[in-house]
Amino acid sequence: DIVMTQTPLSSPVTLGQPASISCRSSQSLVHSDGNTYLSWLQQRPGQPPRLLIYKISNRFSGVPDRFSGSGAGTDFTLKISRVEAEDVGVYYCMQATHFPTFGQGTRLEIK
Amino acid sequence: EVQLVESGGGLVQPGGSLRLSCAASGFTFSDYWLNWVRQTPAKGLEWVANINQDGSEKYHVDSVKGRFTISRDNAKNSLFLQMNSLRVEDTAVYYCARGGTSSTYWGQGTLVTVSS
Repeated sequence: DIVMTQTPLSSPVTLGQPASISCRSSQSLVHSDGNTYLSWLQQRPGQPPRLLIYKISNRFSGVPDRFSGSGAGTDFTLKISRVEAEDVGVYYCMQATHFPTFGQGTRLEIK
Repeated sequence: EVQLVESGGGLVQPGGSLRLSCAASGFTFSDYWLNWVRQTPAKGLEWVANINQDGSEKYHVDSVKGRFTISRDNAKNSLFLQMNSLRVEDTAVYYCARGGTSSTYWGQGTLVTVSS
């Protein structure tokens, strides 16, 4: 199984300041079709997960442009340019290049 | 609007069975891969199974192989998860999610509790 490791596990951030979450995979996530199936999900308290970013850097429909994704191979990053109160929750990276696996989650909280 | 609504969860004894359902609307159901994903506080999110558009390809995580079976009924826009020989460690919130390589939409989840 591909192990997805996120850092940090908790991120206290001041409103209006940037936040960054890293995700590292135990193997390359480049698929034989040339795509890299790395997604980022947000889970607000009491809600199901919601897709934010797919294929490393593509924002899903309705996702604010303060969210961005980057990376390649085994190292990936989710950045929030200016954190807002509604961004509080847990963020997961997920790979679907192989049988899908998830990171352990990063809790974003407001200082 | 895309909607996925799970049902069928509940309390069951170890060794028992449950059948989860996911009713879909707002999109052409037969065009998409579908997934079951479960979540526990201890283990986080765990992909359980997925199925292709016509049901000819199915994949299950090793921990449920031989016990759980994913299926779908495209005529009824429904996804299913038959869960047999349930174990305490299967206790979780079970979500259905649309999509193969990106789980674009998720349902609200249904809680399965396996306990004596």
